[in-house]
Amino acid sequence: QKEVEQNSGPLSVPEGAIASLNCTYSDRGSQSFFWYRQYSGKSPELIMFIYSNGDKEDGRFTAQLNKASQYVSLLIRDSQPSDSATYLCAVPNNAGNMLTFGGGTRLMVKP
Amino acid sequence: DTAVSQTPKYLVTQMGNDKSIKCEQNLGHDTMYWYKQDSKKFLKIMFSYNNKELIINETVPNRFSPKSPDKAHLNLHINSLELGDSAVYFCASSQVTGGLVATQYFGPGTRLTVL
Repeated sequence: QKEVEQNSGPLSVPEGAIASLNCTYSDRGSQSFFWYRQYSGKSPELIMFIYSNGDKEDGRFTAQLNKASQYVSLLIRDSQPSDSATYLCAVPNNAGNMLTFGGGTRLMVKP
Repeated sequence: DTAVSQTPKYLVTQMGNDKSIKCEQNLGHDTMYWYKQDSKKFLKIMFSYNNKELIINETVPNRFSPKSPDKAHLNLHINSLELGDSAVYFCASSQVTGGLVATQYFGPGTRLTVL
């Protein structure tokens, strides 16, 4: 059974700062990872998908993957109050037909 | 256009009742899912259907019975509702082809409250 761990937070950062969200996973064979954002009362929406070691950038978001350390992170540059949400890390099974989610990290960006 | 839709959005009912939640996706995906998100916001897979066939059942009580009449629809029927069933239920879909990793798209959720 895959396990995905996240610090529940809340992580509080000032507007304009870099927010760093972390996720560790138990299955060394995991190949790919998703980051979802969930606003309060809303459904999860995809932010990033990463499967290679190193960094992947998309606008203000950067996902970082270190398979040797079984660690994936999400950096949000120039954080805005609208980034305040819960960020969920997810790992698919080998068949790609199931996601195991971490408990999520609540991010609060203060103006 | 709504990609993944669910009805109803809110469901308030008494213990012991039976209720259903419906889900439809218009993305042409071959795989659909039901997730449960509890009060602590933990999101957990319940069922996964691929082309109307059940492929994942994550130790969900028998009171929960999913049904997929076609690959665009996945409904969830719950018998003899219990207080612990109160949660938000999300439907999702993805295109899983040849075992490739695929993004899951979520519906808006159904908030179930059992009194």
